[in-house]
Amino acid sequence: QVLLRESGSGLMKSSETLSLTCTVSAGAMSSNYYGWHWLRQPPGKALQWIGQINLFGNTYYSPSLRGRVAISLEKSKNQFSLKLTSATAADTAIYYCARVSVVPFNSPFDPWGQGFLVTVSS
Amino acid sequence: QSVLTQPPSVSGAPGQRVTISCTGSSSNIGAYNDVHWYQQSPGTAPHLLIYETNKRPPGVPDRFSGSKSGTSASLDITGLQPEDEADYYCQSFDTTLRVVIFGGGTKLTVL
Repeated sequence: QVLLRESGSGLMKSSETLSLTCTVSAGAMSSNYYGWHWLRQPPGKALQWIGQINLFGNTYYSPSLRGRVAISLEKSKNQFSLKLTSATAADTAIYYCARVSVVPFNSPFDPWGQGFLVTVSS
Repeated sequence: QSVLTQPPSVSGAPGQRVTISCTGSSSNIGAYNDVHWYQQSPGTAPHLLIYETNKRPPGVPDRFSGSKSGTSASLDITGLQPEDEADYYCQSFDTTLRVVIFGGGTKLTVL
């Protein structure tokens, strides 16, 4: 069973850089057949996809966040990370990491991490 | 505003059947992109309920089923149980926007 767990700073000020890490259970990142994703859910609102990285280091981001977001990978630590610059109150959300099979295209998110609340104060 | 449209809420009594719709367009559901459904119980992370429109992961009861027609998809829940009370989200991919998209979510209340 693959487990994912988000960690990072839960409280930050506006204009700072949001930084989160997703730790994946040992050995789970060894396969090239998966992509590793970040999503978020503002309080009381719908899910929003942020971006992804694969084991080759290729990234793809949501157009609405492109320019502020960066996802990186540390395979040796079984981790991938999210950085979101110039944070505002609108970035307050529960942030989730999740795994997606690269085949077939448009595979579902499964499994998900438990989620991590980030609050951006003005 | 979400690209995929879901009703904000549905309700039903225990044992009844409910259907949750997910309406998209020719650039997502109508472009033959698969639809996935997630269940999110209060205070928990979403988990996969239906994938590739109508497939159930191991452990998901056959009371849950999915379908698709044209630019819309549906999630059917029969034999409602109190533990089905949760938020439900549909998800697909938009070929024009080149982005993963979600519905706005539907809150199911079991009366």
